[in-house]
Amino acid sequence: RKEVEQDPGPFNVPEGATVAFNCTYSNSASQSFFWYRQDCRKEPKLLMSVYSSGNEDGRFTAQLNRASQYISLLIRDSKLSDSATYLCVVTSTGNQFYFGTGTSLTVIP
Amino acid sequence: EPEVTQTPSHQVTQMGQEVILRCVPISNHLYFYWYRQILGQKVEFLVSFYNNEISEKSEIFDDQFSVERPDGSNFTLKIRSTKLEDSAMYFCASRRRGGTGNEQFFGPGTRLTVL
Repeated sequence: RKEVEQDPGPFNVPEGATVAFNCTYSNSASQSFFWYRQDCRKEPKLLMSVYSSGNEDGRFTAQLNRASQYISLLIRDSKLSDSATYLCVVTSTGNQFYFGTGTSLTVIP
Repeated sequence: EPEVTQTPSHQVTQMGQEVILRCVPISNHLYFYWYRQILGQKVEFLVSFYNNEISEKSEIFDDQFSVERPDGSNFTLKIRSTKLEDSAMYFCASRRRGGTGNEQFFGPGTRLTVL
């Protein structure tokens, strides 16, 4: 059983579109949740942490549903620069982090 | 802005050789990690390190792997006898403090190619 599951996509959306990614995790004891983005052949970079109450950072909104063990990321008004792979990351202990396979997004002009 | 650095950026080695991958975590960080990413696959946790000892390790981190913090700034990953399947990108990451909710910062990675 995978610890973290994501739809790999690819998602191809026009500029200005709204797109949502989902992620499920298997360990109900998981405590911390993050979305990272990874550009081709680069390191993962933190996009945002995900808090229980949900949180927003500009065009990005993250939600957590502990009952369903489900995390989401919403991107509004997509830009060309949003094209990347989005990684869902989960940890229970803070010592071992589990990554999803990533969801590929391409924003088309 | 402080960042995690890694050297070399690319290492090519023959099967069976030992390699040492080097990382300099962010200076006030206390928790250190190694990950690998085989081309086209997901990022996989290898090991976490705190207070000069391993906190947790995955099944991938077998006896061929070891980590060390030799001098208070460097954090190294050694692979004793490389195999073809060790070819991957290796990322180092560091975290300021323990507990939950504290994000990791990744270095740019070392691409290891085993021939």
